Amino acid sequence: GAGVSQSPSNKVTEKGKDVELRCDPISGHTALYWYRQSLGQGLEFLIYFQGNSAPDKSGLPSDRFSAERTGGSVSTLTIQRTQQEDSAVYLCASSPSGSTGELFFGEGSRLTVL
Amino acid sequence: EDKVVQSPLSLVVHEGDTVTLNCSYEVTNFRSLLWYKQEKKAPTFLFMLTSSGIEKKSGRLSSILDKKELFSILNITATQTGDSAVYLCAVDANAGKSTFGDGTTLTVKP
Repeated sequence: GAGVSQSPSNKVTEKGKDVELRCDPISGHTALYWYRQSLGQGLEFLIYFQGNSAPDKSGLPSDRFSAERTGGSVSTLTIQRTQQEDSAVYLCASSPSGSTGELFFGEGSRLTVL
Repeated sequence: EDKVVQSPLSLVVHEGDTVTLNCSYEVTNFRSLLWYKQEKKAPTFLFMLTSSGIEKKSGRLSSILDKKELFSILNITATQTGDSAVYLCAVDANAGKSTFGDGTTLTVKP
């Protein structure tokens, strides 16, 4: 596609359930990032994939959060046993190389945990 | 820990006013500073700054970086209602992992 695609755009779930959020980056972009944005806040780094290198998971807030990137393209962010504090917009971004420069963001997945 | 602080957190102006948004940072291994505009969902890129004192300009928007004092400003002249958005500052200091500030919410009234 022309831009970064994320799904679902909205997800409402009950506390304790698992959720999966999907990101399809711009074709050819080797770097992929997940950020989280709580209401009125900036973007909080979660995880970064660059090519075939081991991902930088330093931003994941707990072991309930995990992400994978298959075939160097699509990525899935999984949140297990969701908590109310996980409610936020999860933004995915990609960039051509990850060395430096602008990030191309998707529209985000808004997660609400009841 | 890398830190990016933006000010003010929010700003209300009238059309035609000029605004200055501030971004200060404390990071190791600075590589670049980026400004984004976030209107509803996806932030969109405005500027990337790597060198001190060189102004980047796009229409009514301009930005400059001071690497000695560790800050950047984003100026918007002759503001329009379409400029209403959250403006995000990010610093790339660690192998492509950008640290973002909390943003400045700009509201431009007719």
